[in-house]
Formats: sequence, structure tokens, C-alpha cells
Amino acid sequence: EAGVVQSPRYKIIEKKQPVAFWCNPISGHNTLYWYRQNLGQGPELLIRYENEEAVDDSQLPKDRFSAERLKGVDSTLKIQPAELGDSAVYLCASSLESSGRAGNEQFFGPGTRLTVL
Amino acid sequence: KNEVEQSPQNLTAQEGEFITINCSYSVGISALHWLQQHPGGGIVSLFMLSSGKKKHGRLIATINIQEKHSSLHITASHPRDSAVYICAVSKDTGNQFYFGTGTSLTVIP
Repeated sequence: EAGVVQSPRYKIIEKKQPVAFWCNPISGHNTLYWYRQNLGQGPELLIRYENEEAVDDSQLPKDRFSAERLKGVDSTLKIQPAELGDSAVYLCASSLESSGRAGNEQFFGPGTRLTVL
Repeated sequence: KNEVEQSPQNLTAQEGEFITINCSYSVGISALHWLQQHPGGGIVSLFMLSSGKKKHGRLIATINIQEKHSSLHITASHPRDSAVYICAVSKDTGNQFYFGTGTSLTVIP
């Protein structure tokens, strides 16, 4: 069974440029997470989807970050315009869980390492 | 204050040593997760536990719900165990996850 797929694996851009990350979760997983991980830190949740609905985007910097999961499967995370402080690893994860059931295992993708120059 | 605290932050061990990484949390949880992250690699789930102890090969994870504490043990450590080990908890209400900052382990041959 394929795991969570992310692309690209690495991205280097200049500040003020836009950038987009793509995630394909494990088949059948209805919950999808986007995390940002800074060097030496644990992942920080940006947004969580249950199917196509964003159920927790409280930590998403909405002035420059946006995300979508139109058909409840693949998801994209966009930053426009990127800033120097956005350099981090962006992780996507998925789990087989429904609203109200907590504690289900998350499966992580390899991440996209973003460097903003 | 972080909901999940790990110690130590960095750990260097000689090959063969017994290793313990600790995790304390302050929220009510439905499960605790131990994750492994190699440099440049994605995160792999090692254990998910809500009580007692689990063992997988040379890895053992324990949890004490009353004390809100968990430990990850590695027996007969090996250089390939070098990685960052992250403790995470899923809250008992809703689907929020809280992550520790990780413990960077280096095992020297």
C-alpha cells in the first residue's frame, strides 16, 4: 500500500514568490493534516481536513497561506507571497478517523523542505 | 507552557547502551504516540499506546496515565537508531494532536 505522497520534496524560492505543495493521502483516509516543522522543533498543525471540510485552521496564517482539498482526497497548500521565516519542512499526514473519534494513528509523508532566500 | 515536554533534548550514546527518552504531558489524552524522524526523512510512527507497555524489537514504550508520563526505551542501541524521537499526544476531546520538540539521539559506533 502506498504511503502519503508529497511533492516536491525540496523547493528553493526567493522571498515574495508564491509556492505550492501537494499531498496525496493514503487511500481511504478521510482526515488530512498539514504541519510546519521548524529546525529542532516538533511539527505544528497548520490545518486539518475531514473529507473536504477544513475543521481546524486556527493556526493557519491566513494573510499569506491558503489550502484546499476540493474532492476530499488530494490537497494543496499555498504560500503567497513567501517570507524568509517560512523556511521549514511542510509535512502532510493522513489518518482514518471520523469526527469525534480521537487518538487514531497518523501516517506522515516525507515532507517538503522549503528554503526562502 | 508546552502541553508535551520531552527530555533530554539531545542524547549521545555508545553503541550497545540502553537508552531512555522521557515524555510528560499536561492534557487529557486518548493516546500517546512515539514517532521517529531520520534526517531528511519523513516521520514514522513507532508506537501508539493508551495504557501499559508495548514492545517492538529492541524498542519498548511505557505509559503511566496517572502520572501523565511515558518513556521510550531502546535496548542494545545501534548507530542506525540515530534519529529524532518525537512524543505526541492526541487529546481526549476532539482530534487535536500536540507534539513535543523531539529528542535528537546519536549512537556512536
